[in-house]
Amino acid sequence: GAGVSQSPSNKVTEKGKDVELRCDPISGHTALYWYRQSLGQGLEFLIYFQGNSAPDKSGLPSDRFSAERTGGSVSTLTIQRTQQEDSAVYLCASGTGWGDSNEKLFFGSGTQLSVL
Amino acid sequence: RKEVEQDPGPFNVPEGATVAFNCTYSNSASQSFFWYRQDCRKEPKLLMSVYSSGNEDGRFTAQLNRASQYISLLIRDSKLSDSATYLCVVKIAKAAGNKLTFGGGTRVLVKP
Repeated sequence: GAGVSQSPSNKVTEKGKDVELRCDPISGHTALYWYRQSLGQGLEFLIYFQGNSAPDKSGLPSDRFSAERTGGSVSTLTIQRTQQEDSAVYLCASGTGWGDSNEKLFFGSGTQLSVL
Repeated sequence: RKEVEQDPGPFNVPEGATVAFNCTYSNSASQSFFWYRQDCRKEPKLLMSVYSSGNEDGRFTAQLNRASQYISLLIRDSKLSDSATYLCVVKIAKAAGNKLTFGGGTRVLVKP
């Protein structure tokens, strides 16, 4: 596909369950970002992957959150033992990476996570 | 202090009027700047990059003031379709790659 694809688009889960969110970036983009957006709020940075470099995990809110990027392409964000405050839209974006001084991000349509 | 700050608004703008708003950033090492637009319940989309000399794209004008560490966006001849949240984005290049930080957004409502 031409754009960033995220799945599922909606996820309802019970408190304490684990969830996995998937992001398929634009082919050839070396950079991949995860952001979180609560209703009416701005985007909160979670984690950033750039090529084969170690990811920037500085935005992950707790050790219940982790992410992987396999083969430099698809990424999975995992939230363990979900809490109600984890409810938000999780947005993935891919970009052309640090070598591009004018890097632009292209966002997926997000995963709406609801923790009951 | 947040790295990137914006007035959340809303800015209520009569159709056809001009509206302008700023975004301040705290890190003087910030290198590149962008404005993104986000419609309600949609993902953000790039509106325009912000260049040192200022730049225009149709009815939109972006300015950068490095000395005071802010960028601005001006919308002329506002259209109803300009109603959205405008997100300021600041890029800092690190050894491991770029870090793009978003402001909280400025909501603009254009009314007939």
